[in-house]
Amino acid sequence: QVQLQESGPGLVKPSETLSLTCTVSGGSISNYYWNWVRQPPGKRLEWIGYLHKSGNTRYNPPLKSRVTTSVDTSKNQFTLKLSSVTAADTAVYYCARWDDDHKAFDIWGQGTKVTVS
Amino acid sequence: DIVLTQSPGTLSLSPGERATLSCRASQSVSSTYLVWYQQKPGQAPRLLIYGASSRATGIPDRFSGRGSGTDFTLIISRLEPEDFAVYYCQHYGSSPLTFGGGTKVEIK
Repeated sequence: QVQLQESGPGLVKPSETLSLTCTVSGGSISNYYWNWVRQPPGKRLEWIGYLHKSGNTRYNPPLKSRVTTSVDTSKNQFTLKLSSVTAADTAVYYCARWDDDHKAFDIWGQGTKVTVS
Repeated sequence: DIVLTQSPGTLSLSPGERATLSCRASQSVSSTYLVWYQQKPGQAPRLLIYGASSRATGIPDRFSGRGSGTDFTLIISRLEPEDFAVYYCQHYGSSPLTFGGGTKVEIK
């Protein structure tokens, strides 16, 4: 059973870079699109972007200039870096697996709360 | 970008009642890419319905989805205590992937 677990600092200072890691257990990181999704307090879910081990990436345009992602297949992990953060980036950040057969996120991490202050 | 508008914002119902949730897209979308999730407090979203009408693995048959074009509906035929949660629709197509604002189904 595949499980995802986010990790990273819960507090980031304004203008600095938010950095999170998602560890995939119970399965391989290969052959899937891995995503980051966030949920600001009281707001709707917001898709940040996806990456594939092949290097293929796609990001949500409003965030594209600040987002960097990478995958480490040896550790079965992928990472998110969001630069120049502001209070508006305060949110619960989720990693999620995209199931291309069903065109949906079929597995999610539990989420990690990041506060910018 | 395609904007998904969910209504109502909150639905107050009793266990055993039928819940009807709406998701309206700002332009016509392919039902292949219309998805519904359930989210409980402190938990990640859980996939319920994909392709507008197909139940995900392990989802009870009291959950059903329908719709096409710009109007989609999630129906919970008889609410169980564990169904009280927030429900989100989501679309992914040529535009960035987007989520609706959610409908909270609360106990009346």
